[in-house]
Parts: sequence; structure tokens; C-alpha cells
Amino acid sequence: GDSVTQMEGPVTLSEEAFLTINCTYTATGYPSLFWYVQYPGEGLQLLLKATKADDKGSNKGFEATYRKETTSFHLEKGSVQVSDSAVYFCALASGGSYIPTFGRGTSLIVHP
Amino acid sequence: KAGVTQTPRYLIKTRGQQVTLSCSPISGHRSVSWYQQTPGQGLQFLFEYFSETQRNKGNFPGRFSGRQFSNSRSEMNVSTLELGDSALYLCASSVGLAGGDSNEQFFGPGTRLTVL
Repeated sequence: GDSVTQMEGPVTLSEEAFLTINCTYTATGYPSLFWYVQYPGEGLQLLLKATKADDKGSNKGFEATYRKETTSFHLEKGSVQVSDSAVYFCALASGGSYIPTFGRGTSLIVHP
Repeated sequence: KAGVTQTPRYLIKTRGQQVTLSCSPISGHRSVSWYQQTPGQGLQFLFEYFSETQRNKGNFPGRFSGRQFSNSRSEMNVSTLELGDSALYLCASSVGLAGGDSNEQFFGPGTRLTVL
């Protein structure tokens, strides 16, 4: 079945550092890929998405590129802020099932 | 446009009791999905309702059930509560069935259920 593997956290960075959160997936067909963010005490918010190979999703300085050859969708940001502290979820939705499959989430802590 | 709302936000119950959680989707959204979020298992899909019909179901026991009303509002019920049911229950709505290229899910803030 479909699955998503994320790097375990927490990831702890200083403000303005470069961020990478790794995400790899297993799916049948050609899934759509998503990154969601969950701030403390809130529900998940869609951060960015990509629907086909080589697409790059971007939002609020975050980027991720759909790499079919490595089945990856790594999240990056060039300069993190304290306000980026949250839990980040990688997810996929494949054509065979419309139910999104989520990774376990990666906690990001950014210090001033 | 108002977002997805969930009530109550916090709930404390004891083992053996039952509980009903409510979700009001974004206006115009016809799909409502429910998820259970725990530190140990992460985010797990419970079920999805679309136009008052359950369209998809995750791997949860029959104690977990739901329904959707004609105005797309949804309720989730858990009977005979167990300690392991303590979790954050998230509701998400979308215009059409969840997933796919265009049916982005919008999540509510969740209901924190504690079973003592």
C-alpha cells in the first residue's frame, strides 16, 4: 500500500539557518504530493503541493520538488524564522485512492 | 469565509462511556473526513463522508462511527471508550472527495479527547 516516510525530529535550528526535511514515498501510479504544517494548538494547513513529476511547489519561502526517480519530496527553506516552529507533515494522494496518506510528522524548533 | 469548526475543543470522558464530536465544514464543501492523531500512531484516517454517504473507511473498529447531515455537517461517535482512544480528532472538509489534484482538504483545529 501507499506509505510516506519522514525524517524523525525534532529538528532544531537557529534563526536564518537552512532547512531540509526529508520525505520519501511509496505509491502505485503517480500520486499528488503535499506538505502540511501544524502550529501548536491548531489543525493542519496545506503548505504546498505538487501533482506531477518535476513540479516544484512553493509557498511562504518553502519549496519542495517532486522527484519521481528518487520517490522523494524534500521540504526546504533558505532562512527559517522562529515563527516557522511547527510540525510538518508530508502526504500523498494516489489515483487509486482519494484518501491522503500522511507521514508521522517532523517537529521543527527554531531558536532566536 | 469561515473555516472548519469543531466542537467541543476539549473533552474528558471515562472508560466505557460514549462520545459524540461535531464538525461543520466550510460552506459549499460536501466532503468531510475524520482523522485520529496520536503521538504513537501519527495521523490515521477514520472515514470520509460525501453527500451523506460514507465513501471511505480506515482500519478502525466498529466502535467508531459517523454520519453526515444534509447540510454537510458531520458527527463522529465513539462508543465504549478505551484509554487508547485518547487523541486529537481532526476533521477536514473539501469540495469533492478528498485527495486528487484539486480537492484540497481544509482542517479544523481538532477536538482533544482524554479518556480516564
